[in-house]
Amino acid sequence: QVKLQQSGAELVKPGASVKLSCKTSGYTFSTSYMSWFKQIPGQSIEWIGMIYAGDGGTGYNQKFKGKATLTVDTSSSTAYMDLSSLTTEDSAVYFCARIENYGSYVMDAWGQGASVTVSS
Amino acid sequence: DIQMTQSPASLSASLGETVSIECLASEDIYNNLAWYQQKPGKSPQLLIYYASSLQDGVPSRFSGSGSGTQYSLKINSLESEDAATYFCLQDSEYPWTFGGGTKLELK
Repeated sequence: QVKLQQSGAELVKPGASVKLSCKTSGYTFSTSYMSWFKQIPGQSIEWIGMIYAGDGGTGYNQKFKGKATLTVDTSSSTAYMDLSSLTTEDSAVYFCARIENYGSYVMDAWGQGASVTVSS
Repeated sequence: DIQMTQSPASLSASLGETVSIECLASEDIYNNLAWYQQKPGKSPQLLIYYASSLQDGVPSRFSGSGSGTQYSLKINSLESEDAATYFCLQDSEYPWTFGGGTKLELK
């Protein structure tokens, strides 16, 4: 059974950084792709970027370049996202999701989400 | 970036009814469209991919159609568990982009 377990809620001060984790199980992480998303409650979803666990190669939404950094640790089957120079606009729920290629890219398994609140 | 215009923004329907949700892309996305269902406080769940392919385990009352720039999700015989927000997502071109969402309420 594929599982993605995200780290807990974070309360951080403006200007700080935060590192979110997404621990996976039930599939071969080392040859998989992972994507990250941002959702402000009550609003739609934004794609932040993706990472290939095989070599750490990344692709980002231009909007999040410089804001988000994606990494992986294949030894623990965990993906990470660093968010830097946080502002109140970064307050949101962040999701990780496994990407599978069904002939079309699909996110077929998601983490439960991690809430980030930026407040002084 | 490809803009995804989703309609309606909200929808109220009765149990057993059939509803449709539309997504209009700002350019041809070649069927690279997925539909997700999200319930409050939960993560999105994949319903349909490549415009019309039903994800394993998803009830057959959900169906997708469309081509080019116009796509739709149809839900037949609404059940109470279908109350949720639905999003379309295009993965034809980076950055992947979502529609604004449709909140479905059951009367």
